[in-house]
Amino acid sequence: SAVISQKPSRDICQRGTSLTIQCQVDSQVTMMFWYRQQPGQSLTLIATANQGSEATYESGFVIDKFPISRPNLTFSTLTVSNMSPEDSSIYLCSVGSGFGDQPQHFGDGTRLSIL
Amino acid sequence: DAKTTQPPSMDCAEGRAANLPCNHSTISGNEYVYWYRQIHSQGPQYIIHGLKNNETNEMASLIITEDRKSSTLILPHATLRDTAVYYCIVRYQTGANNLFFGTGPRLPVIP
Repeated sequence: SAVISQKPSRDICQRGTSLTIQCQVDSQVTMMFWYRQQPGQSLTLIATANQGSEATYESGFVIDKFPISRPNLTFSTLTVSNMSPEDSSIYLCSVGSGFGDQPQHFGDGTRLSIL
Repeated sequence: DAKTTQPPSMDCAEGRAANLPCNHSTISGNEYVYWYRQIHSQGPQYIIHGLKNNETNEMASLIITEDRKSSTLILPHATLRDTAVYYCIVRYQTGANNLFFGTGPRLPVIP
């Protein structure tokens, strides 16, 4: 399976600031996904990122708050903008073909705390 | 509406087989059953998936009932490193899609 690296692994940020999380994959992948996992909760999909097109956001998530880039088939970034304490979560990058018969794989996430 | 139902809690003794049930009574013919687990401070780890037939890999076995309305994940010899939250997910076979995680039970493996 693909090796997925996220940077930073954790950070503590001040409210009102923005942070960009990077996701690097060791092989070309069709689809990259960004999830959020709030404390004690399950994972929630933020958006799907395909190369060459704008990301597709799930209900409750907007581009102004979570802009995403996907410049090539091995890299994506998620920015958490104008952060508030409610944004304190683990943010996870995931990759896959997008087809149901092939597993999707995950990085270990970025643990973000907002003061 | 939740597509899968798992017990809210369970445990297993180290060295014993862990049997994790999942109910997916509304599954359609073109949906796979997937299992992932999440060990503390890590991202979800893919375990196994199946459509109709039972499946086995180096990590686990997946037993799917003939009517496909339920399944059981079997960890043959549980170790302390198998302590994790286990997620059972149904996923469409065709077309671009993604995984939607519900609430999975934490399986503590007891020494």
